[in-house]
Amino acid sequence: KNEVEQSPQNLTAQEGEFITINCSYSVGISALHWLQQHPGGGIVSLFMLSSGKKKHGRLIATINIQEKHSSLHITASHPRDSAVYICAVWEETSGSRLTFGEGTQLTVNP
Amino acid sequence: KAGVTQTPRYLIKTRGQQVTLSCSPISGHRSVSWYQQTPGQGLQFLFEYFSETQRNKGNFPGRFSGRQFSNSRSEMNVSTLELGDSALYLCASSLLAGAYEQYFGPGTRLTVT
Repeated sequence: KNEVEQSPQNLTAQEGEFITINCSYSVGISALHWLQQHPGGGIVSLFMLSSGKKKHGRLIATINIQEKHSSLHITASHPRDSAVYICAVWEETSGSRLTFGEGTQLTVNP
Repeated sequence: KAGVTQTPRYLIKTRGQQVTLSCSPISGHRSVSWYQQTPGQGLQFLFEYFSETQRNKGNFPGRFSGRQFSNSRSEMNVSTLELGDSALYLCASSLLAGAYEQYFGPGTRLTVT
């Protein structure tokens, strides 16, 4: 079992839909990253959070440390949101290494 | 402020050769981490450097090594290349070591034939 599990693995939506991607982890963490990777490989950090909720534009990330669960929401989705979304955690015991989920491939159709 | 840069962007090597990849962090960032991404294994941590010292290393064989210079630029080296080393190698910089926001470079696509 992976230490970081994401669901769903693949998601297809119509433009304008509300999207949720989930991340569950089995280890103690100090923080969690949500990352976005477009075709070609470049990775952008969307959020880094250790508690509560963060919002940036149409993106919202939440984390529940007790339940070891985080969600990434995209409101009013757009075709340019099509990308792979990756959850990654800073494990408490390792200190300085990220452990990654397998990613969620999102396709938003016009 | 310029982002993280990686050179070269693409590389083709033959089995048995060695390769050196370079990463220049964002100005002022002192920590550099390296990651390998393959279709089968996803993203995996290779190592982290801070102030020219390796702070942490992932589960990779000794053929994978790295170093960091006094200007925080980092290099990673893979010796005796194997077909399975074909991957996208990403570096990321952060202000300090540990759980700080990571800023990723565009990656180096290595193909081993």
